[in-house]
Amino acid sequence: SQTIHQWPATLVQPVGSPLSLECTVEGTSNPNLYWYRQAAGRGLQLLFYSVGIGQISSEVPQNLSASRPQDRQFILSSKKLLLSDSGFYLCAWRNTVNSPLHFGNGTRLTVT
Amino acid sequence: AQSVTQPDIHITVSEGASLELRCNYSYGATPYLFWYVQSPGQGLQLLLKYFSGDTLVQGIKGFEAEFKRSQSSFNLRKPSVHWSDAAEYFCAVGGLLSGGYNKLIFGAGTRLAVHP
Repeated sequence: SQTIHQWPATLVQPVGSPLSLECTVEGTSNPNLYWYRQAAGRGLQLLFYSVGIGQISSEVPQNLSASRPQDRQFILSSKKLLLSDSGFYLCAWRNTVNSPLHFGNGTRLTVT
Repeated sequence: AQSVTQPDIHITVSEGASLELRCNYSYGATPYLFWYVQSPGQGLQLLLKYFSGDTLVQGIKGFEAEFKRSQSSFNLRKPSVHWSDAAEYFCAVGGLLSGGYNKLIFGAGTRLAVHP
């Protein structure tokens, strides 16, 4: 069966420090991968999605970047964190165009 | 533009009472519709989905939803709520968009509280 792993679960980082959040999917190949951010009391904002290795689409201009170095690995990064980057980050995958998204357990990022 | 509206930010019901969470969407083609549930500090879990066919779909945990094209709605229902249903619920719409890529658009969520 397919599983998605996301880490770390929680992270506290000072302003100006770098960020790397990792997401991996097991049990499937060539998944579509997604990074969402969920701010307190708000819905989900799509940040990036990828349909293949090295293929990244950005939804909103921001302080973050994403990479997909391997088929089932999706990384969210920042060179210098801002206070506004605090939030709950969710990785998700799906196989086909209109199949449901399957989410990881999320990373709670607090920038201090 | 595609969008999803969940008009109720917070809903409180008593345990055992019936529940209906509203969802309205705007989409230029036949939508694919989903309901997800999120417990605090957790990821989202799929409750049910609608792609085509019967407009009343059954999901996990006793939930169901009805697709009404004329009203652009996909409301979630449960006949008798349990305390464990307290969570945040998200409606989402998706489909094949221009460019061949696709994404799910989520509503802002409805937070459900259950009184004993």
